[in-house]
Amino acid sequence: GAVVSQHPSRVICKSGTSVKIECRSLDFQATTMFWYRQFPKKSLMLMATSNEGSKATYEQGVEKDKFLINHASLTLSTLTVTSAHPEDSSFYICSARSPNRGQSYEQYFGPGTRLTVT
Amino acid sequence: AQSVTQLGSHVSVSEGALVLLRCNYSSSVPPYLFWYVQYPNQGLQLLLKYTSAATLVKGINGFEAEFKKSETSFHLTKPSAHMSDAAEYFCAVRLFPGNTGNQFYFGTGTSLTVIP
Repeated sequence: GAVVSQHPSRVICKSGTSVKIECRSLDFQATTMFWYRQFPKKSLMLMATSNEGSKATYEQGVEKDKFLINHASLTLSTLTVTSAHPEDSSFYICSARSPNRGQSYEQYFGPGTRLTVT
Repeated sequence: AQSVTQLGSHVSVSEGALVLLRCNYSSSVPPYLFWYVQYPNQGLQLLLKYTSAATLVKGINGFEAEFKKSETSFHLTKPSAHMSDAAEYFCAVRLFPGNTGNQFYFGTGTSLTVIP
């Protein structure tokens, strides 16, 4: 149980285009989802926290107009990288939590999405 | 301020040898602490967690970690390394109080290599 999926697992896009990454909680309702970015050989950097039905809270230094996050339902959050540039190439990981699943602090991580911008 | 510090970005051990991955945290109150493992191009898998209960925590795949408040440490150990243990390991902390968003803060990771 507590499965989180991401789609796509890998995506290649051209500079200037936008790409959407989906994060789904498959067997529980996620009131909160988190988006992380991971650079090669580096740790995970929290980008934003999204609560269902409200605007995402972005961490300092993360451009909210570039990384659009929508958490429209209790099982789906999307991250859209707008006007992508090669420096946006990274591994993006989402996680989800639910007050009704496990402990309140538990986060369940998705498998990640590898974005390459050419 | 750095909440989690992992000493040693790379650790190599021989198969069958002891694995020791170090993690120190900074917090005015005991936090919740976690160890995750990440295989290439995959997400994070929870190995074990400390949530203010027993200080010696046993996890999956034979790993365990001990919370030592006096040393502000939460080192990960495994008595005998297996080839399949080769991966990236992350220590993470959820801070209290005042952490209303349930954010996790991750260390920079330790890459474990197991030598046959």
